[in-house]
Order: sequence, then C-alpha cells, then structure tokens
Amino acid sequence: DQQVKQNSPSLSVQEGRISILNCDYTNSMFDYFLWYKKYPAEGPTFLISISSIKDKNEDGRFTVFLNKSAKHLSLHIVPSQPGDSAVYFCAATSGSRLTFGEGTQLTVNP
Amino acid sequence: GAVVSQHPSRVICKSGTSVKIECRSLDFQATTMFWYRQFPKQSLMLMATSNEGSKATYEQGVEKDKFLINHASLTLSTLTVTSAHPEDSSFYICSARVSGGRYQETQYFGPGTRLLVL
Repeated sequence: DQQVKQNSPSLSVQEGRISILNCDYTNSMFDYFLWYKKYPAEGPTFLISISSIKDKNEDGRFTVFLNKSAKHLSLHIVPSQPGDSAVYFCAATSGSRLTFGEGTQLTVNP
Repeated sequence: GAVVSQHPSRVICKSGTSVKIECRSLDFQATTMFWYRQFPKQSLMLMATSNEGSKATYEQGVEKDKFLINHASLTLSTLTVTSAHPEDSSFYICSARVSGGRYQETQYFGPGTRLLVL
C-alpha cells in the first residue's frame, strides 16, 4: 500500500523555467510534509517542508504547495538551474516515521 | 551541516554469509537512527527505528532476527544482514536524528550502502 506516490518518475525542463514536482498521499493522518533532494551516491538532503495547517511555504527559489482536500502537494522550483538536477523525494509523517514517495528524477537542461 | 557516514559504500557477498553496515553521525549525537531500504525506482522503505541503548523497533514485515540492529552509542548504529540471500540485495540507507531535534528536517541521511548477494 503506497501511501505516498510520485507518479512522474522523471521530469525535464529548460534552465530558467519552472519545475513542478507533484506528490499525492492517501493517509489523512499525515500532518507534516517534506521534500528531499538526492544526488547519486549521496543520501537525501532536506529541502523544504510544510505543516498541514498551511497551504504554502516558500524558501528562495523553492515553494511547496499543499492541497489537503485533494491530498496533493507540489514543489515549485523557479528559476530552475542545472545544479537542481537530482532525484526529488516527497515524504509525509504523522509522528516520527517518514513515509517516502518513489522519487522524481529532475533534469534541468542548460 | 551535520554529516552521517556509512561503511561500506558497496559490498558483495556470497549467499549465506552475514554483512555488517555501520552508520555514524560524525559531528553530532543521535539518540535515534533509522534504517531504510530502497529497491530500484521505488521509495525508501523504513525498516526499523534504532534508539541508543534500547532495542530497535521494526516495521511490519521486517524480520528482526535477519536484520540485526545495534545502537550502542550516540554516534553509531549497525545493521547486520544475517545469512544474506540474493533477495536481500538492495540499497540500504541510514539516517540520524539530532538529539532534541523537534522537526523531521533534523534527520540527516547517510550516503547509502549497496549490497549485492551472489
């Protein structure tokens, strides 16, 4: 039972454009959501998070949107840079456990 | 930032042997460490939560006698895959949570260990 799903295994965008990564969840008990970025041969690193009491959180070029009624969150990166090319995981939690999605490989082309 | 190391980064072993993977928090203390497993193109699946000085808490479906976890100090947790079989081949990642950390972002991940069982 995949409680957190990232339906797009890959995404390719041009440098300077917006990257939009999507994530859906099924467990209504989740109250905190996170995005991680992962380069090859490295562990995931924390990027940005959002509490379920908010619908938007912004940090520089990164913005996370949460639509609780749709059980959907998205990560917007603008403008996208080649260095943003990585695998992005969304994760959700209702306590101490993190439940991850499958990841989306983002490629930003120069 | 906080650094978590894993050793070895890659290991190949014969079926039936045991393999130990170390996870260390290099510049902070971690009362809680987590062990994940990732199959190709799949999500990170939590295997167990390791608390310093106490027994690990295993997720449903994870055999505690096969995946032995020891968290003997605030900077080291080990995962031993006992009597490894080819189906245990996977990418194992640990993470460590900063002691007193309140938020999930204070969980730092290691680089992972690629296990191949022949």
